[in-house]
Amino acid sequence: EDQVTQSPEALRLQEGESSSLNCSYTVSGLRGLFWYRQDPGKGPEFLFTLYSAGEEKEKERLKATLTKKESFLHITAPKPEDSATYLCAAPYSGAGSYQLTFGKGTKLSVIP
Amino acid sequence: DTAVSQTPKYLVTQMGNDKSIKCEQNLGHDTMYWYKQDSKKFLKIMFSYNNKELIINETVPNRFSPKSPDKAHLNLHINSLELGDSAVYFCASSQGTGYGQYFGPGTRLTVT
Repeated sequence: EDQVTQSPEALRLQEGESSSLNCSYTVSGLRGLFWYRQDPGKGPEFLFTLYSAGEEKEKERLKATLTKKESFLHITAPKPEDSATYLCAAPYSGAGSYQLTFGKGTKLSVIP
Repeated sequence: DTAVSQTPKYLVTQMGNDKSIKCEQNLGHDTMYWYKQDSKKFLKIMFSYNNKELIINETVPNRFSPKSPDKAHLNLHINSLELGDSAVYFCASSQGTGYGQYFGPGTRLTVT
């Protein structure tokens, strides 16, 4: 069964304290690993797609990396405005499937 | 301009009623989706649809039906609403498989 698991469930950081969020997956024939940010009361906001092991992508203080079994979202010197829930997702196995299976998210709180 | 829009933002209704949620995207995407986010914030795919194929998640009751009048719209119709249908429903769209999905702001449905 396709699964995406995120850890930790919640993470509390001081402003400027770098850390990483983890996303492990068991989707066979991975066709992309997606990261999203969700603020309270809003829809998920697309951040990155990673397609192959070793790939990295960056956006401001965020860097996403991918291995064969997991992905990491590294947050460097976070600011309070980085507080949000971060979701990762992967397409279901099977040819032609557009559907994503999401992890339960990591709720990040950055304290000033 | 809003890329993916949904109406209404809030919907309060009684058990047994029939209701619809509208979704429109102005991104020119070929594929649209409906997701349900439950009280534990778990985001789960319900449908994906392009002009060729409707894929229904097997766990979705047949009281839920997507209706697409054209490529830019995918509405969600729900018959005989139940208490367990209370959730936030998100519409999304993408250029195709392997591309990031862009989400609407969500519709919070409350069934009393």
